[in-house]
Amino acid sequence: GAVVSQHPSWVICKSGTSVKIECRSLDFQATTMFWYRQFPKQSLMLMATSNEGSKATYEQGVEKDKFLINHASLTLSTLTVTSAHPEDSSFYICSARDGGEQFFGPGTRLTVL
Amino acid sequence: GEDVEQSLFLSVREGDSSVINCTYTDSSSTYLYWYKQEPGAGLQLLTYIFSNMDMKQDQRLTVLLNKKDKHLSLRIADTQTGDSAIYFCAESRKGGYQKVTFGTGTKLQVIP
Repeated sequence: GAVVSQHPSWVICKSGTSVKIECRSLDFQATTMFWYRQFPKQSLMLMATSNEGSKATYEQGVEKDKFLINHASLTLSTLTVTSAHPEDSSFYICSARDGGEQFFGPGTRLTVL
Repeated sequence: GEDVEQSLFLSVREGDSSVINCTYTDSSSTYLYWYKQEPGAGLQLLTYIFSNMDMKQDQRLTVLLNKKDKHLSLRIADTQTGDSAIYFCAESRKGGYQKVTFGTGTKLQVIP
């Protein structure tokens, strides 16, 4: 199946700093990528849908100025957590759609101190 | 809105069958999925079923769909210790957007 990578796989940062997470589709082009957030022992919650060349569509309750999404090419979407705080600590997972199926990245563990 | 629910935990002995259940509320659901998540990892699509199907079998996995009751189940035959993980059911509608709504996840523990 298609492969989606994320970088970094884990990151620790200080409160108030910004962190960028990359999501790449390695062997296919993805016009749509999705960003999810998963708290410990909880389900995945969709944060936003990222469409190549246009603005992301955010789910209700997700601050678009805090979670900046850029989908500049058909193989790369980035999520930047701005002015991160401890409550932003979570597991962030992206997915990319290849036709009808979504392929998920391995996730990025963010810890904000 | 869409809501997908699962029991939180299931424990089975190695070699037995596991049955993980899921209920959903959106009658417009077109695709129903089962994903596996191992500790600290992303999601792996195990199988999926279209809403016009009642059953799908893929090696040790059997998916049953009761569309009337909006109930989905995943049966794992001859469960192995490597099957220990969290299993998420998910649903989406047909269409370009295809937002996927995930269930709460069921942690499967396989006892040797």
